[in-house]
Amino acid sequence: EVQLLESGGGLVQPGGSLRLSCAASGFTFSTYAMTWVRQAPGKGLEWVSTISTSGSTTYYADSVKGHFTVSRDNSKNTLYLQMNSLRAEDTAIYFCAKAYTTSSRAFDYWGQGTLVTVSS
Amino acid sequence: DIQMTQSPSSVSASVGDRVTITCRATQAISSWLAWYQQKPGKAPKLLISAASSLQSGVPSRFSGSASGTDFTLTISSLQPEDFATYYCQQGNSFPFAFGPGTKVDVK
Repeated sequence: EVQLLESGGGLVQPGGSLRLSCAASGFTFSTYAMTWVRQAPGKGLEWVSTISTSGSTTYYADSVKGHFTVSRDNSKNTLYLQMNSLRAEDTAIYFCAKAYTTSSRAFDYWGQGTLVTVSS
Repeated sequence: DIQMTQSPSSVSASVGDRVTITCRATQAISSWLAWYQQKPGKAPKLLISAASSLQSGVPSRFSGSASGTDFTLTISSLQPEDFATYYCQQGNSFPFAFGPGTKVDVK
């Protein structure tokens, strides 16, 4: 059974940093691109970042480029999102998601999400 | 960057109704379009990928179609468990983008 379990969320002051983790199991992690999607309270879904299978290629939304960094450790089946210089508008539930197939750009499994609150 | 719009933003419907949601891309995205269902407090669920390919386990009352840059999600006979918010997502090119969502609620 595929499982994605995010952790690392919490309350952080503006300008602070957090690192989110997404522990994956039930599939061959190293063969799927992985993605972070966020959802501000009461709002819609926002694509944040995608990382290739090897980690050599990364993509970011303009809203996070330069202050978020996505990475992965295929030996640990874990995806990460390093978030620096956090702003109030980064407050959201952060979901990690798995690509549907090795070549797909849709996401078939999602974690339960971890809440990041940026506030003083 | 490709932007996605959805219409309507909300629809009130009854069990048994046929519901149609439209998603439009600002540029050609071939068939790189997915539809998701999200219920409150839950992660999104993939319903359809590649514009019209129904995911395993998704009821056949859900269907997707495409015409140019316009994409449609149809629920042929709305069931109680279908009241939710629906999002489209383009995967043609980065940055990927979701539509703003369509909330289907009880009439």
